[in-house]
Amino acid sequence: SQQGEEDPQALSIQEGENATMNCSYKTSINNLQWYRQNSGRGLVHLILIRSNEREKHSGRLRVTLDTSKKSSSLLITASRAADTASYFCAPSSGGSYIPTFGRGTSLIVHP
Amino acid sequence: DAGVIQSPRHEVTEMGQEVTLRCKPISGHNSLFWYRQTMMRGLELLIYFNNNVPIDDSGMPEDRFSAKMPNASFSTLKIQPSEPRDSAVYFCASSKGQAHSGANVLTFGAGSRLTVL
Repeated sequence: SQQGEEDPQALSIQEGENATMNCSYKTSINNLQWYRQNSGRGLVHLILIRSNEREKHSGRLRVTLDTSKKSSSLLITASRAADTASYFCAPSSGGSYIPTFGRGTSLIVHP
Repeated sequence: DAGVIQSPRHEVTEMGQEVTLRCKPISGHNSLFWYRQTMMRGLELLIYFNNNVPIDDSGMPEDRFSAKMPNASFSTLKIQPSEPRDSAVYFCASSKGQAHSGANVLTFGAGSRLTVL
């Protein structure tokens, strides 16, 4: 298994702006998931993208996957204060389909 | 469904004491995971079970840690004896997938915050 590495570690924006978070990983993957964690809570699944997919949308979320660069990005459009949270990517690879997590990106959206 | 239920939510104990964390997964989920979250190391997978059987415990830090899943609706993570460096938030998560096939979309509990003095 492998961890994803999120970038940047912290991001501070104004409400209404777009937020982009990136994830890099080292070896080929089966799929990659994004999760959100609000302060003091457990992680919540946002979206899963499989290795043969390039882009997925869910509401204001857009996830892209570039397997040639071993990277993924999460775009939150028209951000809201309620989007303030930590965001984690979780790739799974090899014979294991277990999501593994890194340290996440801490997003603060100022009202 | 009430989701994944963990107890206790907070535990403060002294070094050397035994700590038991509990988890009730979502009914019908057949995979269960224990993770530990710290600022230094992020979110680490400790152990996971599939159909109540431990599949991979390579993430368990040392012999002081043990985990059991006696039935499909209950799991425990035990630390004996506890040490200050065990202070962390411990998460339990469950999923419907098989551990070795397909995708595991995890549903997390609220976590158990452990402080060892």
